Amino acid sequence: AQSVSQHNHHVILSEAASLELGCNYSYGGTVNLFWYVQYPGQHLQLLLKYFSGDPLVKGIKGFEAEFIKSKFSFNLRKPSVQWSDTAEYFCAVIPMDTGRRALTFGSGTRLQVQP
Amino acid sequence: DAGVTQSPTHLIKTRGQQVTLRCSPISGHKSVSWYQQVLGQGPQFIFQYYEKEERGRGNFPDRFSARQFPNYSSELNVNALLLGDSALYLCASSPNRTGGGRNEKLFFGSGTQLSVL
Repeated sequence: AQSVSQHNHHVILSEAASLELGCNYSYGGTVNLFWYVQYPGQHLQLLLKYFSGDPLVKGIKGFEAEFIKSKFSFNLRKPSVQWSDTAEYFCAVIPMDTGRRALTFGSGTRLQVQP
Repeated sequence: DAGVTQSPTHLIKTRGQQVTLRCSPISGHKSVSWYQQVLGQGPQFIFQYYEKEERGRGNFPDRFSARQFPNYSSELNVNALLLGDSALYLCASSPNRTGGGRNEKLFFGSGTQLSVL
């Protein structure tokens, strides 16, 4: 079965700092990859996704992620964070060559941006 | 348009009781998935229903069951509650059977917070 690892559980940054959140998955076949964000008191929202093609994916609010197949990684980046980026971030994967098409999530990274 | 709505928002039960959680998908969405999110962890897949049929099941005991109605709303039932069932239960809907790809759109509700005492 596939799994997702997010090694940073809690990240604290100052505004304008650069962000990189790590995500590694374990699955040998074709995958679709996602980053979801959960702002305080709100529901999970899709930040960006990779399904095929260009491994550098751009999402909402200036976020981007790079799929590196050889490293089984899909790290999330943002050049300059804002206080409003304070949230919990979840990486997720769907295997595309099995019958079960359900998201497998990582344990999440809590990002705290200090003004 | 209304988003995915779940009820109730909070629920307190005692061990051994049974609970039913409800989900109304976005209008036009035919697929509903259920996830359990324990505090400090990511959501874990429980069930997926599409066109009123179960299309996927996660690694959960038979105490967990679900169904989807003709109007595509869904219920999640949990019998013989355990303390470990305390979690946020999330419902997600999508227009088609969740399958990834370019047109993958999965929308989450705000969840039902279940506390088992």
